[in-house]
This record gives sequence, C-alpha cells and structure tokens, in this order.
Amino acid sequence: EAGVVQSPRYKIIEKKQPVAFWCNPISGHNTLYWYLQNLGQGPELLIRYENEEAVDDSQLPKDRFSAERLKGVDSTLKIQPAELGDSAVYLCASSSPGGNTQYFGPGTRLTVL
Amino acid sequence: GEDVEQSLFLSVREGDSSVINCTYTDSSSTYLYWYKQEPGAGLQLLTYIFSNMDMKQDQRLTVLLNKKDKHLSLRIADTQTGDSAIYFCAERGSNSGYALNFGKGTSLLVTP
Repeated sequence: EAGVVQSPRYKIIEKKQPVAFWCNPISGHNTLYWYLQNLGQGPELLIRYENEEAVDDSQLPKDRFSAERLKGVDSTLKIQPAELGDSAVYLCASSSPGGNTQYFGPGTRLTVL
Repeated sequence: GEDVEQSLFLSVREGDSSVINCTYTDSSSTYLYWYKQEPGAGLQLLTYIFSNMDMKQDQRLTVLLNKKDKHLSLRIADTQTGDSAIYFCAERGSNSGYALNFGKGTSLLVTP
C-alpha cells in the first residue's frame, strides 16, 4: 500500500513569491492534516480536513496561507506571499475513518531566501 | 496549550538498551504516540498506547505509561546504529479533536 505522497520534496523561493505544496493521502483515508515543522521542533497542526471540509483551521495564518481539498482526496497548501520565517518543513498526514493513528508523508522542505 | 516535554539528546552504545522519556500535562490525553524521524524524512509511527493501558510491547520496543504522573517512556532493546534518529512523543487529548501535540523530539545517537 502506498503511503502519503507529497511534492515537491524541496522548494527554494525568494521572499514575496507564492508557493504551493501538494499531498495525496493514503487511499481510503478521509482525514487529512497539514503540519508545520520548524527546525528543532515537533510538528504543529495547521489545518485538518474531514473529507473536503476544513474542520480545524484555527492555527492557519489566513492572511497568507490557504488550503483546499476540493474532492476530498488530494490537498494543496499555498503560501502567498512567502516570508523568510516560512522556511520550514511542511508535513502532510492522513488517517482512516475513526482511526487512532496518523501516517505522515516525507514532507516538503521550504527555503525562503 | 498543553505541553509535551522530552529530553533533547541521548547517547547509547550499540547493543545497550535506550530509554527515552516524555512528560505531558493534558490529563484528557486519550492516546500517546512515539514517532521516529530520520534525517530528511517524514515521521514514522513506531507505536502508540491507549491511556487505559500501562504497558505495551512490540518486538524490541516497550512503552510504559504512568498516567498518574503523566509520564511516558519508550525502551528500545538491543539498540542498533540504525536506531539513530529523532524520536517524538505525541499525545492526543479529548479536548484537541484529532490534532496531535508533539514534544520537541529526543535525538538518539547510537555509537558502535
């Protein structure tokens, strides 16, 4: 069974540019999470989807961050415009209906210059 | 928010046992998890324990939970160099929905 897929794995952009990250969860997993991991820290939740509905986006900086999961499968996380402090690893995770475990993708490492 | 604390660094010799400790503050925690992260990789789920259990064993891994003291530990028997990685403790509280609250991670170095 394929795991959580994320792309790109690495992205380098200049500040003020837009950037987007893509996630494909494990097949059959209706819950999808985006986490932010800063260097030397544990992941922190940005947003959680149940199917296509964002049920917890309280930690998402909505002035520059947006996310979508239009068909309840793949998801895209966007930053516009990017700032230097956005340099981090963006992790996607998924879990099955009623599942107690979250499975993580490899992450996208963003560097903003 | 609720805190999850871990020691930042642990060094052991190959073949010895490793014990990584974690404390948490959320008394409503329902599940507690251990994840492993190797350089440049995502988080790999190692094991988890439900809050009404006090021990779980899975091959070389033993998880101990002291709910009264809010203390969780991960013991790795016969530690190998391939176990060198960062280990994250995480908890899921009944008040936090399904979001996981992570510690900062313990960097385990296994020396030959």
